[in-house]
Amino acid sequence: ETGVTQTPRHLVMGMTNKKSLKCEQHLGHNAMYWYKQSAKKPLELMFVYSLEERVENNSVPSRFSPECPNSSHLFLHLHTLQPEDSALYLCASSQEAVYYGYTFGSGTRLTVV
Amino acid sequence: AQKITQTQPGMFVQEKEAVTLDCTYDTSDPSYGLFWYKQPSSGEMIFLIYQGSYDQQNATEGRYSLNFQKARKSANLVISASQLGDSAMYFCAMRVESGTYKYIFGTGTRLKVLA
Repeated sequence: ETGVTQTPRHLVMGMTNKKSLKCEQHLGHNAMYWYKQSAKKPLELMFVYSLEERVENNSVPSRFSPECPNSSHLFLHLHTLQPEDSALYLCASSQEAVYYGYTFGSGTRLTVV
Repeated sequence: AQKITQTQPGMFVQEKEAVTLDCTYDTSDPSYGLFWYKQPSSGEMIFLIYQGSYDQQNATEGRYSLNFQKARKSANLVISASQLGDSAMYFCAMRVESGTYKYIFGTGTRLKVLA
């Protein structure tokens, strides 16, 4: 039990499907993050929510749409994805302070077919 | 610019021996935090150890220690008495206060512990 729960753990979806990834934390953290990890590529920060407001969006394609309804929940809505979007998607939470590390979820392994 | 560099894409170590994973960083911020994470094949990123820029002593957590050399801007992870379960990817990361990207990860080092 990591404190950050991601569902589903595995997801296979077609390019025309719509699906959502869910992340939940009950650590009292005030920031949540979505990262993409592709094979042999560095971790890519996708979205940052601090105090439920999106503060960074690193030029992620619009087929990825985040939602943060409250400080404990974070979603990543997916639609019309491409095969190159297949990756491990990691959610993390933290306090917004330089001396705080991340607590990561277990990740969702996404395969787009 | 803020940067983390891990120059060892892969490392091997014999079981029960110690291993050092290298990490250098670059920042002009006086206040920063340095972190190491372990990522087994299951995918989860596990926090291992933390070092603050103002900490005088090197951090230790069980078999993990962080060799912090501020003047050289290095934060190497030392794993003592390696175990087979230590086989994983290891990421060095830095957190700063300024700039757009406040949390920077290195590219990782894949460690394989040999029996």
